[in-house]
Amino acid sequence: QKEVEQDPGPLSVPEGAIVSLNCTYSNSAFQYFMWYRQYSRKGPELLMYTYSSGNKEDGRFTAQVDKSSKYISLFIRDSQPSDSATYLCAMRGNAGGTSYGKLTFGQGTILTVHP
Amino acid sequence: DSGVTQTPKHLITATGQRVTLRCSPRSGDLSVYWYQQSLDQGLQFLIHYYNGEERAKGNILERFSAQQFPDLHSELNLSSLELGDSALYFCASSVGLAHTGELFFGEGSRLTVL
Repeated sequence: QKEVEQDPGPLSVPEGAIVSLNCTYSNSAFQYFMWYRQYSRKGPELLMYTYSSGNKEDGRFTAQVDKSSKYISLFIRDSQPSDSATYLCAMRGNAGGTSYGKLTFGQGTILTVHP
Repeated sequence: DSGVTQTPKHLITATGQRVTLRCSPRSGDLSVYWYQQSLDQGLQFLIHYYNGEERAKGNILERFSAQQFPDLHSELNLSSLELGDSALYFCASSVGLAHTGELFFGEGSRLTVL
């Protein structure tokens, strides 16, 4: 069983829809959570970073973390065709001062927003 | 454009061969990370170098090795290649140790082993 599970989709929604992307994890050592977006033929880029349970909002994006359930979500409001990409959840433990960039990624969810 | 440069973009080689992938981090970034992305395993951490020293290692095969040079560029060496090594290899960089989880990824080097 993988440490991080993410439904690969694909997910297709109409423009303007609210999108919900989710990941579950099994390793209770994970304390810091990220969402990366990857456009076709590009490298991933960081969208959201959070470390506490609850919601964090940034524009049309809201990241939600529930550590008790080991479940994280990313919501996209008023989705646009330009949001079409693969969304990867990522997480790490405390790192102990060694490497905060040693991330465990989900498989990624392919999202298409059609006009 | 993330500012991270990877070469070559595409590479086709045969089983048993050896290849070197090169990465130039963003100007000023001291950390370089290597990740492997494949269809079945997703994006997996290989290794992290900080200012020339190995900082952390993931599930990197013994046939793979990496180094970071004094000018901070990094190379990932893959030897005795197998079909299963076919993947997209990403380099990423960060200013320090990436406390905020922000890694800047290059566009990747796609390796095909025939």
